[in-house]
Amino acid sequence: DAKTTQPNSMESNEEEPVHLPCNHSTISGTDYIHWYRQLPSQGPEYVIHGLTSNVNNRMASLAIAEDRKSSTLILHRATLRDAAVYYCILGLSNFGNEKLTFGTGTRLTIIP
Amino acid sequence: KAGVTQTPRYLIKTRGQQVTLSCSPISGHRSVSWYQQTPGQGLQFLFEYFSETQRNKGNFPGRFSGRQFSNSRSEMNVSTLELGDSALYLCASSIQGAGGSPLHFGNGTRLTVT
Repeated sequence: DAKTTQPNSMESNEEEPVHLPCNHSTISGTDYIHWYRQLPSQGPEYVIHGLTSNVNNRMASLAIAEDRKSSTLILHRATLRDAAVYYCILGLSNFGNEKLTFGTGTRLTIIP
Repeated sequence: KAGVTQTPRYLIKTRGQQVTLSCSPISGHRSVSWYQQTPGQGLQFLFEYFSETQRNKGNFPGRFSGRQFSNSRSEMNVSTLELGDSALYLCASSIQGAGGSPLHFGNGTRLTVT
């Protein structure tokens, strides 16, 4: 399974944008890039996913490098509620292969 | 729309016992997958069910098993419990289970084996 590499931790000031990087140099052409986040005592929460093009939703934006070997999750204006562990993972697009591999994630701390 | 529901929320068992965990997916979701989360190993994939059939399996011993019912509800069973089985067990559902479908997680069952 293709792996992802993320920094262990990051800090950001409240109300500023946050850019969370992820490297996935062994990504295959059919791998979707997913981002999830996990708050304490909760299950992971879906944030965003994409295949080739940049994606935006109400929570965040996903910027995918042209060669797809890296991506960046962008939180446009961090709040204290965004403090969580963020996971970047790859999911195969082939129907019937639900086997997402989670790494250790990035622990994001928001400074008031 | 109700989210993914896992029961019970907490469980304490003794070594050698067995345990059954339950997961009710979001209505309309046909794929249910299970994950084990521990501080040392992070989130590890156990198995995935789609339309009552196990489609994928992670690298866990045969003591870990599961099943899915016709209403998509799923159960996970762990037999002959070991201390190392203490973990947060998470269930996730998705519409069809392919990599392009977002996973929706429950809040997990915290299992403690003593």
